[in-house]
Parts: sequence; structure tokens; C-alpha cells
Amino acid sequence: QITLKESGPTLVKPTQTLTLTCTFSGFSFSTNEVGVGWIRQPPGKALEWLALIYWDDDKGYSPSLKYRLTITKDTSKNQVVLTMTNMDPVDTATYYCAHTPQHCSGGSCYYYFDSWGQGTLVTVSS
Amino acid sequence: EIVLTQSPGTLSLSPGERATLFCRASQSVSSSYLAWYQQKPGQAPRLLIYGASSRATGIPDRFSGSGSGTDFTLTISRLEPEDFAVYYCQQYGSSPRYTFGQGTKLEIK
Repeated sequence: QITLKESGPTLVKPTQTLTLTCTFSGFSFSTNEVGVGWIRQPPGKALEWLALIYWDDDKGYSPSLKYRLTITKDTSKNQVVLTMTNMDPVDTATYYCAHTPQHCSGGSCYYYFDSWGQGTLVTVSS
Repeated sequence: EIVLTQSPGTLSLSPGERATLFCRASQSVSSSYLAWYQQKPGQAPRLLIYGASSRATGIPDRFSGSGSGTDFTLTISRLEPEDFAVYYCQQYGSSPRYTFGQGTKLEIK
């Protein structure tokens, strides 16, 4: 059974750097070809993909946020860390981490998030 | 960048009715790159459909997905009370890697 859980501050001030940790179980970067992504959702709004890291350290970032985001993994701790610099009130959102499998069959590869953390609400306010 | 537009924004139906939700991409999307999620208030999204038409593990067969190219559909054949939620489509691309639609709220009429 795959589980993920986000942790980090619930309140940050404008201009500060946010650091969020995703701690997971049920899979490992060292034995599974998987990825972990971060997705956020402002209150009452839609989902927005932020970043992704794969078992082989391949990374991807949202083009609109790539200069503010860094994603890393600690394979020994089963953790993925997302940092976002220069936080602003518009960054107030629930931040989710999610598992994406390496799923290829019949000549096609499939891309989706099949397990999600419960999310953590981050408020940006002075 | 591929933009996903979902319609309608809100769909009002009664239990037992059939629901049809649409997701249109601004450019052609590989079917294997298209997924659908359900999100209930206060909960994380739940994967329903991947590869445009494959149900995720544990998803009831009243949920089905179809489509290709730029037009994709999520159908719920007979609505159960627990199906009233917000639904999102998602696609995978080169940059950005993932994009979500703006969501369709399915509410009880």
C-alpha cells in the first residue's frame, strides 16, 4: 500500500522560502521506477502541477514557476523535498505530493498520479 | 503549452441520471496521456481513469472514459449520491509535464 504525507509550515511570510517534505512508504526510488510530483490547489480553485522528480533524478518544473522551485529526493529517507522561494500571498494553497508510476505496456506509456497525500494548507501572510 | 478546457463548469443532475463531462485540449493529446480525477470537499483527488479509457484500481464500472485527439469524455452511467464532486482532466506533455483542466462541478439537482 502506497502512502504519502506532506509536512512543512502552515504559515509563511511574504518573501520567505517555503520548504515542504513528502514522506512516503510502499515504494522506493532505489527499487521502483517511479516519480513523485507536487501539485497545489488555491482555496476554491483548480489543481496546478508544480514539479516532479523520478527515480533516476530526472526533474521537471512548471514553466511559470521554475525559477522559484527546487525539487530533490532523499532515497535513504523515502522523502522528496520541494522548496519555493519568494513566497507571495497568491501562493496560499493546499500543497499535495503524489506518486506516479512508470507504466508502459503494449507499446504505450501512461502518465498519471495514482496515490496522493492528504495535502497541507500553506498560508502566506505577514 | 497545451490548455485543457472542461465543460460544463457546473452540471446539475439527479441520482440515477447519466453524467457526461467534457475535456477539450488546445492541441492533440495522446490518449495514453489523458487521465481523470474525482475530488470531494476536503479530500485529495482520486484517480478514476488513465489512458483516456482505463479505469483505475477499485473504480466502479459506472465510470467510463473515451475520446482521442483533442476531445475526451468522462461518463458516469448512473449517478450515485457519492459521485457528486468536482472532476478534473489531466494531460502529460513535454513542457509542462502535467496540465490540469479547470474542473467540472457535478452537483445534485
